[in-house]
Amino acid sequence: GQNIDQPTEMTATEGAIVQINCTYQTSGFNGLFWYQQHAGEAPTFLSYNVLDGLEEKGRFSSFLSRSKGYSYLLLKELQMKDSASYLCAVRDPGNTPLVFGKGTRLSVIA
Amino acid sequence: KAGVTQTPRYLIKTRGQQVTLSCSPISGHRSVSWYQQTPGQGLQFLFEYFSETQRNKGNFPGRFSGRQFSNSRSEMNVSTLELGDSALYLCASSPESLREKLFFGSGTQLSVL
Repeated sequence: GQNIDQPTEMTATEGAIVQINCTYQTSGFNGLFWYQQHAGEAPTFLSYNVLDGLEEKGRFSSFLSRSKGYSYLLLKELQMKDSASYLCAVRDPGNTPLVFGKGTRLSVIA
Repeated sequence: KAGVTQTPRYLIKTRGQQVTLSCSPISGHRSVSWYQQTPGQGLQFLFEYFSETQRNKGNFPGRFSGRQFSNSRSEMNVSTLELGDSALYLCASSPESLREKLFFGSGTQLSVL
């Protein structure tokens, strides 16, 4: 099974860069996924990594190291609208469900 | 393309009652997953269905059950409600090309009094 760990809360300044870490322990591995959830709304898919390395998507990038059981989400040029919870999720190989961490609540301040 | 639709949006029940929640997936998506979200526990996996078959089940008591119909619509039922069942219940559908790319509905906020 999975054991996913993320910081509970983070605060960053508008225009800055923030890195949200996620560590996981799983018996196998089938990908690491990031979701964004604004307060009062449903989560939305952001990105995923299957292989080691950095995946860039505009202001957002996600990194994965499978050997270390570690991933991070990098948000650049922070905007107030980036204030949200960021959820890390993993799925073991085979017919298993996607399991989420408890999420990191990011507050962007002026 | 219409998104995932969940009904009802809000529900208030009393202990001991039962409740049925409904989910209509995105057209063409045959996989539907259900999650319970609470402030303390985050997103907890309940069920996953594919083509009317339960593909996975989370660690919830037997009071929680679900099903999927031939048109991929899904329902979730909770019997003998307890106060601790108060939560946001989220349904998500996903394409088979990437099962982990979940498209969530707005959820059903269940309050048990």
